[in-house]
Amino acid sequence: NAGVTQTPKFRVLKTGQSMTLLCAQDMNHEYMYWYRQDPGMGLRLIHYSVGEGTTAKGEVPDGYNVSRLKKQNFLLGLESAAPSQTSVYFCASMYRTRKGNEQFFGPGTRLTVL
Amino acid sequence: GQSLEQPSEVTAVEGAIVQINCTYQTSGFYGLSWYQQHDGGAPTFLSYNALDGLEETGRFSSFLSRSDSYGYLLLQELQMKDSASYFCAACISRGSTLGRLYFGRGTQLTVWP
Repeated sequence: NAGVTQTPKFRVLKTGQSMTLLCAQDMNHEYMYWYRQDPGMGLRLIHYSVGEGTTAKGEVPDGYNVSRLKKQNFLLGLESAAPSQTSVYFCASMYRTRKGNEQFFGPGTRLTVL
Repeated sequence: GQSLEQPSEVTAVEGAIVQINCTYQTSGFYGLSWYQQHDGGAPTFLSYNALDGLEETGRFSSFLSRSDSYGYLLLQELQMKDSASYFCAACISRGSTLGRLYFGRGTQLTVWP
């Protein structure tokens, strides 16, 4: 049981390049999320999905696209990377427990855009 | 908009008790969660309060007062390994969609020997 995994762990891009971050979970969770974390800013929601084939915008969606073609995978795309997108990206998934909504986070992808 | 306020830093010594406060202004609020994050690591879930009152999980307790839009995380018998960032997060519902979290900016806890 791997939990939530993210690929790649590190990446350096040049301005204007594109890339896709992959998130996979093996816990059969319905909900999946993409966050970015910048120093002093906490975690901000980019996009999320409440089930296969559905996606929705979070707090900071501009410059990103997502797809959830399979329940276990959630992809985050950057079509034309900008230096402002330098950040640590975390994926999370969730099921609803008796004690509430516990999100399980992946290890993160550290992205630098030059 | 949604906002959560928590102190940026807290320091304490091993064995002590520390309280991290969180005040929130949100719409669609239905609970308050707490997450721990060590440097370079992923956030991990600590606790969740849907109702007013205290929830206890080992050395950690969390409290919620809906009428005051306020909660706190209480860490007892502090250990060096508790040095980390702690985030409060408001659980928000939007129509039929539950499970969105709005995070505070985090409190850096440093535990000294």
